[in-house]
Amino acid sequence: DIMLTQSPATLSVTPGESISLSCRASQSISTNLHWYQQKPNESPRVLIKYASQTISGIPSRFSGSGSGTDFTLNINRVEPEDFSVYYCQQSNSWPRTFGAGTKLELK
Amino acid sequence: QVQLQQSGAELTKPGSSVKISCKASGYTFTSYDISWIKQRPGQALEWIGAINPGSGGTGYNEKFKGKATLTVDKSSSTAFMQLSSLTPEDTAVYYCARGYYGPNWFAYWGQGTLVTVSS
Repeated sequence: DIMLTQSPATLSVTPGESISLSCRASQSISTNLHWYQQKPNESPRVLIKYASQTISGIPSRFSGSGSGTDFTLNINRVEPEDFSVYYCQQSNSWPRTFGAGTKLELK
Repeated sequence: QVQLQQSGAELTKPGSSVKISCKASGYTFTSYDISWIKQRPGQALEWIGAINPGSGGTGYNEKFKGKATLTVDKSSSTAFMQLSSLTPEDTAVYYCARGYYGPNWFAYWGQGTLVTVSS
């Protein structure tokens, strides 16, 4: 199975800061990497597909980059509603796997 | 609009089985795979498997073979997951989810069903 390692586990920030979250794959997955946001007691919501492709309805402050084994989710100027957990997920091979998540918390 | 409506919370005993449902609406049920995903309290997400409602074909994460059985009822546009030989480690929220095309990235999610296994 492909392992996805997310870092950091927790990130404490102030609203208005710009941040980057990392997701590293145990082997090359091309750009078959997707990002989700999950708020407490809610279902995950997709933010970015195929490493860098935008999703309709998602604010433009969210962007993604990377290919191969190293991927990044960027949030340009964090808003109060962005404090939640972020997961990456790969679709390069079976089984589909998710990272352990990065919790974005208020400093 | 696409909606996935899951059945309610279940309280079950160790060693028993439970069957949870996911009713789809807003699209042609037989045209898109449905995946099931597990999330233990405070833990990450695990993909259990997927079913093609048109053919009934299934694919499972090896970890969940023998634990989960996926089926569908095309007449009611409903997907089901049965979990057997339940243990406390099966206590989790279970989501059904639909990919945009195939089970690659998950565009649509049910609200989740909490299964609690306790004696």
